[in-house]
Amino acid sequence: AQKVTQAQTEISVVEKEDVTLDCVYETRDTTYYLFWYKQPPSGELVFLIRRNSFDEQNEISGRYSWNFQKSTSSFNFTITASQVVDSAVYFCALGSFLNAGNMLTFGGGTRLMVKP
Amino acid sequence: SQTIHQWPATLVQPVGSPLSLECTVEGTSNPNLYWYRQAAGRGLQLLFYSVGIGQISSEVPQNLSASRPQDRQFILSSKKLLLSDSGFYLCAWSWQGHEQYFGPGTRLTVT
Repeated sequence: AQKVTQAQTEISVVEKEDVTLDCVYETRDTTYYLFWYKQPPSGELVFLIRRNSFDEQNEISGRYSWNFQKSTSSFNFTITASQVVDSAVYFCALGSFLNAGNMLTFGGGTRLMVKP
Repeated sequence: SQTIHQWPATLVQPVGSPLSLECTVEGTSNPNLYWYRQAAGRGLQLLFYSVGIGQISSEVPQNLSASRPQDRQFILSSKKLLLSDSGFYLCAWSWQGHEQYFGPGTRLTVT
């Protein structure tokens, strides 16, 4: 069975601070996908990144960066110089190559509050 | 480009009334389609998914049902709503195993 754990249910930072959101996953698949989504107060989930299990390169996109460590089954997300607009719930998710419906297993989410 | 629509955006229904939520996708063919529910302050619960017209798989037993009458249309229904059906309903699509893209959601309150 697959499982995604986001141990931090809520994080509060002051604007311009860096913040890291943790994600730990469990799977028996040898190949899989990992994702991060952002859910702003409007409610719609916004896709941020997909990472394949065979590609352990870290990725940076502007103020966002992702650290994938297969050895520790973690896929952490760092926001540098946080802004108020980053306030949202962030979900980490795990997908399998093997299931016909390409279903995702989501973590419970981390609510990030960035205060001015 | 692809677009996903959901309606209505908000809905208030009495207990025991029927429900029909609609989701349509534009700009892609033969997508996988998904219905999720999110209770207030909680995570996402996958309700149904579909890999093709008329093909529905249920993840959670409940009084809800889903149908896919057309390739890019996905409908969530109930004959009699319960209080516990309140929540935020999200439709999503994916194609060939890639990431899922979500619609704007429907906020349902059952009174």
